Amino acid sequence: GNSVTQMEGPVTLSEEAFLTINCTYTATGYPSLFWYVQYPGEGLQLLLKATKADDKGSNKGFEATYRKETTSFHLEKGSVQVSDSAVYFCALSDGDSSYKLIFGSGTRLLVRP
Amino acid sequence: SQTIHQWPATLVQPVGSPLSLECTVEGTSNPNLYWYRQAAGRGLQLLFYSVGIGQISSEVPQNLSASRPQDRQFILSSKKLLLSDSGFYLCALGIGLLEQYFGPGTRLTVT
Repeated sequence: GNSVTQMEGPVTLSEEAFLTINCTYTATGYPSLFWYVQYPGEGLQLLLKATKADDKGSNKGFEATYRKETTSFHLEKGSVQVSDSAVYFCALSDGDSSYKLIFGSGTRLLVRP
Repeated sequence: SQTIHQWPATLVQPVGSPLSLECTVEGTSNPNLYWYRQAAGRGLQLLFYSVGIGQISSEVPQNLSASRPQDRQFILSSKKLLLSDSGFYLCALGIGLLEQYFGPGTRLTVT
């Protein structure tokens, strides 16, 4: 079945460092891909999405490109801030049923001043 | 725009006690609704989803159940809680066929 694999955290960076959080997926068909962010004690918020191969999703300085050839959707940001500290989840739409999302296990990011 | 309310925000319950968590949504009609659980330090597990009143699909067999008595109300229940039921419970609604919008969550601790 469809699945999402994320790099394990925590990822600890200094402010203004470059961020990469790896995400790879296994899917039949052509799923849409998402990154969600969860700030401490809160629910999840959609950060960005890509609906087809080679699409680049972007928001708040974060970017991710839908790479079908490598089945990847890595999250990047050129210069992180302390306020970016959160848990980041990669997800895909279930190709068998478009009602459901399949989430990775999440990667915790800690940015130190 | 859509709004999701979940209550209570936090709950501490003894093992063997019943559970009822409520999720209500505003600003949309006939939404797809979802219940997820997030155990401490782990990812999200889809528990139930509903595409309409009275229509519930269960993803994981367990001692939890869900009901949708009204279009914009989704309830998660248990007759007898287990320690393993502790976690952060999130309600979500579907936006179109692809995206989901999440509520603020309920943190449940079973003691």
